[in-house]
Amino acid sequence: QSALAQPASVSGSPGQSITISCTGTSSDVGGYNYVSWYQQHPGKAPKLMIYDVSNRPSGVSNRFSGSKSGNTASLTISGLQAEDEADYYCSSYTSSSTRVFGIGTKVTVL
Amino acid sequence: QVQLVESGGGVVQPGRSLRLSCAASGFTFRNHAMHWVRQAPGKGLEWVAVISYDASNKYYTDSVKGRFTISRDNSKNTLYLQMNSLRAEDTAMYYCAREEWTKVYFDYWGQGTLVTVSS
Repeated sequence: QSALAQPASVSGSPGQSITISCTGTSSDVGGYNYVSWYQQHPGKAPKLMIYDVSNRPSGVSNRFSGSKSGNTASLTISGLQAEDEADYYCSSYTSSSTRVFGIGTKVTVL
Repeated sequence: QVQLVESGGGVVQPGRSLRLSCAASGFTFRNHAMHWVRQAPGKGLEWVAVISYDASNKYYTDSVKGRFTISRDNSKNTLYLQMNSLRAEDTAMYYCAREEWTKVYFDYWGQGTLVTVSS
């Protein structure tokens, strides 16, 4: 049950696009289309941003998009805005019926 | 609206026990699997446990197996986490989270309850 690998930090200027990767194994990310992404601002509970690899919940900006190739999933934030500065976590279902999170990525808007 | 309110956190000595509760409202609790997720101070999210909608299935992360027990009372719309033999490394904010019906993601989260294990 090792945490999924994510870059510790990603930064970009307002208006730019950034991509956060999330790498697992064939027993989690690569084996199922059950990758989700969460945004967490300091002192707040996480918020669902993407589910089932690439679906956006109602109310989430279409600047957020998700994809997957093999054992690596990705979250792209386009048109970066100051309010996007937060921690982002991926999560996946696993072959043991458990769930696993990524280590988290701190997004900084320059 | 959906609400999840955790309670029961506090300061506890190593080796002691604590029971967390998560009161749910605004949705049909018995239809949803429920999870506990924790976050150590300054660290990332860690999935802890899940219980199916009818409590027939329960799964845990390896580090809490044999020490923590997840349960639910659908008549009281409440989720529980019984934590025994607590260790310093169990110190964290504990969140309960709802899993969407037949889905595999956490669509609603509580605000968390802080557990501190210290002598």
